[in-house]
Amino acid sequence: GQQVMQIPQYQHVQEGEDFTTYCNSSTTLSNIQWYKQRPGGHPVFLIQLVKSGEVKKQKRLTFQFGEAKKNSSLHITATQTTDVGTYFCAGLGIRKLNTGTASKLTFGTGTRLQVTL
Amino acid sequence: DAGVTQSPTHLIKTRGQQVTLRCSPKSGHDTVSWYQQALGQGPQFIFQYYEEEERQRGNFPDRFSGHQFPNYSSELNVNALLLGDSALYLCASSYGTGGREQYFGPGTRLTVT
Repeated sequence: GQQVMQIPQYQHVQEGEDFTTYCNSSTTLSNIQWYKQRPGGHPVFLIQLVKSGEVKKQKRLTFQFGEAKKNSSLHITATQTTDVGTYFCAGLGIRKLNTGTASKLTFGTGTRLQVTL
Repeated sequence: DAGVTQSPTHLIKTRGQQVTLRCSPKSGHDTVSWYQQALGQGPQFIFQYYEEEERQRGNFPDRFSGHQFPNYSSELNVNALLLGDSALYLCASSYGTGGREQYFGPGTRLTVT
């Protein structure tokens, strides 16, 4: 089945440094979504990328979708302590059924980010 | 506007027992997906419900079953609990099954002893 890997597993940075996490899928994706999970919390949706080569920005966060739609990255500029958490990419697979469609998110292994002053 | 709610928040069960977890989707959402998240791992897709039917299923045994009610709320049932079923169970709701963003509930922490 589809596998989604992320590197690194863990990164510890000083506040103000940049951070990047990379996501690779074993299969081509319909789209990719990114989620953030704070310690003790639940995943919170950040963004969805659909088009090959797409780049989207949210303030200090930059998301990219690879040309082959098999990889993605999240870059945070000038990290802050509020960025602490685990970042997951999730590949979307859509199946066509006789009665419509069904979708399934395959989450990556996650990158845990620690930011210290 | 309430987000996704789940109950109970914590649960302790013994091996071999059965458990039912509940989820109410965000207002306006009609699709519910369930995930299992082991400690330090990413969420693993269990199944998705839409129009009261299971639409897609992940690699979980038949001991895991679910239901969706006419008001879009959902239940996850796990029979014959194993120690390895200990995890955070997350419910996520969305509008339709076409892959829109999912809103996650706070989860139910299940411990099997």
